Amino acid sequence: ELVLTQSPGTLSLSPGEGVTLSCRASQSVSSNYLAWYQQKPGQAPRLLIYAASSRATGIPDRFSGSGSGTDFTLTISRLEPEDFAVYYCQQYGGSSRTFGQGTKVEVK
Amino acid sequence: EVQLVESGGGLVQPGGSLSLSCEASGFTFSSYDLSWVRRAPGKGLEWVSTISGSGSSTYHADSVKSRFTVSRDNSKNTLYLRMNSLRAEDTAVYYCARKNTVINNFDYWGQGTLVTVSS
Repeated sequence: ELVLTQSPGTLSLSPGEGVTLSCRASQSVSSNYLAWYQQKPGQAPRLLIYAASSRATGIPDRFSGSGSGTDFTLTISRLEPEDFAVYYCQQYGGSSRTFGQGTKVEVK
Repeated sequence: EVQLVESGGGLVQPGGSLSLSCEASGFTFSSYDLSWVRRAPGKGLEWVSTISGSGSSTYHADSVKSRFTVSRDNSKNTLYLRMNSLRAEDTAVYYCARKNTVINNFDYWGQGTLVTVSS
């Protein structure tokens, strides 16, 4: 079973700062079927990035994804107040889906 | 506008059963695979089940296999999750999500319904 490990668990940052989140897979992610979701308290998850580096519809270009194989990153170039949330990576090759445990980006 | 609205959550005793529904609108329901995803308190997201657009294929996570059953009624634009033999660890907010056929991933989600398994 493929396991996704996200790091760090929590980041304390200020608006305007940039941040890079990491997601490491226990085995290679097929066809780069790696996505990133954002979730805020009391809200449904929102798709940010799919296929490792493609932004979903309506996602600002301050969000970017990169990586391949087993190592992937999500970069937010400049944090806006609405970006403080939990971020999950997810692999979606095959019939099942696996999420990482999440990285919380909180206000410093 | 695509909308997914879950219902049916509540408090149930360990070993009990519960059925969730997800009513959809704003798209051609039968053309899309749909899934259930949950988030337990203080934990991350966990994929639970997926059903194909026709309903002919279903998939379940190992953690719920043989206890949960996903189904759909395309005439009613409704997705279901029948949950039996519930355990405390099934306590979570359950979301339904639509799989976008182009990107092969969840593009729309409902707001979720809370299931609490406790005596």
